[in-house]
Amino acid sequence: GQSLEQPSEVTAVEGAIVQINCTYQTSGFYGLSWYQQHDGGAPTFLSYNGLDGLEETGRFSSFLSRSDSYGYLLLQELQMKDSASYFCAVDPYNQGGKLIFGQGTELSVKP
Amino acid sequence: GAVVSQHPSRVICKSGTSVKIECRSLDFQATTMFWYRQFPKQSLMLMATSNEGSKATYEQGVEKDKFLINHASLTLSTLTVTSAHPEDSSFYICSARLPSGGAFYEQYFGPGTRLTVT
Repeated sequence: GQSLEQPSEVTAVEGAIVQINCTYQTSGFYGLSWYQQHDGGAPTFLSYNGLDGLEETGRFSSFLSRSDSYGYLLLQELQMKDSASYFCAVDPYNQGGKLIFGQGTELSVKP
Repeated sequence: GAVVSQHPSRVICKSGTSVKIECRSLDFQATTMFWYRQFPKQSLMLMATSNEGSKATYEQGVEKDKFLINHASLTLSTLTVTSAHPEDSSFYICSARLPSGGAFYEQYFGPGTRLTVT
């Protein structure tokens, strides 16, 4: 099976950099994804790591190390609008593309 | 592109009644859709994978006779909560993947349906 662990809450100030970690125990997956969800809204795709290493998309970067069973999402130049929940997710091998989500990290950005 | 809609956005029903939630891919054909439920401040829990023209695949612990899923066309999947109970109150979200050739790992989520059973 799969389980993904994330910190439940993170607080940071505007303009800062924050890293949200995701550690996992899984039997095998294609890649690690990150999704953002504002309160009451739909999750939106942020980033994906199919291979080990760093992927950069604007202010957001994501990292994966399969040997360490670990990944993270890095948010730079934090803005108030980044206050949301962030979920890591894996798409397990041969499971029709379904996603298994971590418990989510609620990020609060303070002025 | 890649927009997914859900209807209704909110619904209140009485205990024992059934409620149908629709999930539509507006600008693409989705052979596969997924249904999740989410309790407040919690993660998205996958309920089932809905495949066009075939039976849905339910996750362990999800009652297939209670949560009926139909994927009759390439743009529409429905979830019917039968004999609803207050504990079924939750946020139900659907998602869809682009057809083969698209970013296979990226799912597009609908805006969700808030179900309250009284």
